[in-house]
Amino acid sequence: DAGVIQSPRHEVTEMGQEVTLRCKPISGHNSLFWYRQTMMRGLELLIYFNNNVPIDDSGMPEDRFSAKMPNASFSTLKIQPSEPRDSAVYFCASSGGRRLGYGYTFGSGTRLTVV
Amino acid sequence: QKEVEQNSGPLSVPEGAIASLNCTYSDRGSQSFFWYRQYSGKSPELIMSIYSNGDKEDGRFTAQLNKASQYVSLLIRDSQPSDSATYLCAVNIGYNFNKFYFGSGTKLNVKP
Repeated sequence: DAGVIQSPRHEVTEMGQEVTLRCKPISGHNSLFWYRQTMMRGLELLIYFNNNVPIDDSGMPEDRFSAKMPNASFSTLKIQPSEPRDSAVYFCASSGGRRLGYGYTFGSGTRLTVV
Repeated sequence: QKEVEQNSGPLSVPEGAIASLNCTYSDRGSQSFFWYRQYSGKSPELIMSIYSNGDKEDGRFTAQLNKASQYVSLLIRDSQPSDSATYLCAVNIGYNFNKFYFGSGTKLNVKP
C-alpha cells in the first residue's frame, strides 16, 4: 500500500494567490481528514469527510478555505486568496473507521509558505 | 484549559532507560486514545491505541489509561536514540470516534 499521498510536498506562493493541496487516501479508508500544523498551535483539525461527505468543517479558519472530496480516492484543500499567516504544514490523513480502526494514517504533508 | 495537555519537554533519558510520557484530557466522554510519534520534519505515525482502563503492551511500548483521572501515559522501555522524537497524544472528542484532539506533543531525547 502506498499510504496517503499528498501533493505538492512544498509550495511557495505569493500573498493573494490561490493554493490547491491534493490528497489521495488509502484505498478502503472511509474517513479523510485535513490538519494544519504550526509551532504555535500544534495540530489543528480543519475538516473531515466520511464516505466523501463533509461532516465537520468547524475548524476551517475562514471562508478563504474550502475543501472537496469528489470521490473516495481524491480530496483537495483550497486557499483563496492565500495570506502569510496560512504558512504551515498541511497534513491529510485517512482512517478505516469501525471496520479497520480509528487510528489515522498521515500523508507526508505539504509545507506551504506564503510570502 | 486545553482539551489535551502534554508537557512539551524536552524529556531527556539515557539510552536503555524507561521514558515516561504523560497526557491529560478534559472530555470525560472520550473513549479512544492514541499515541503518535513524529520525527522532526516528518508526519505523525501511529504507535499505540488504548480504549480500556489499565495497561496495554506492544513490544517496548506500554500505554496506560486511567479514565477516572483522565490520564493516559506511554512508557518506552529500553529507550534507544532512534526513539528520539516528539510524541503526540490524541483523544477522541466525546462519542465521535472519528474526531480527535491532539496534544502539543512531548519532545523526547534519548542520549547514547
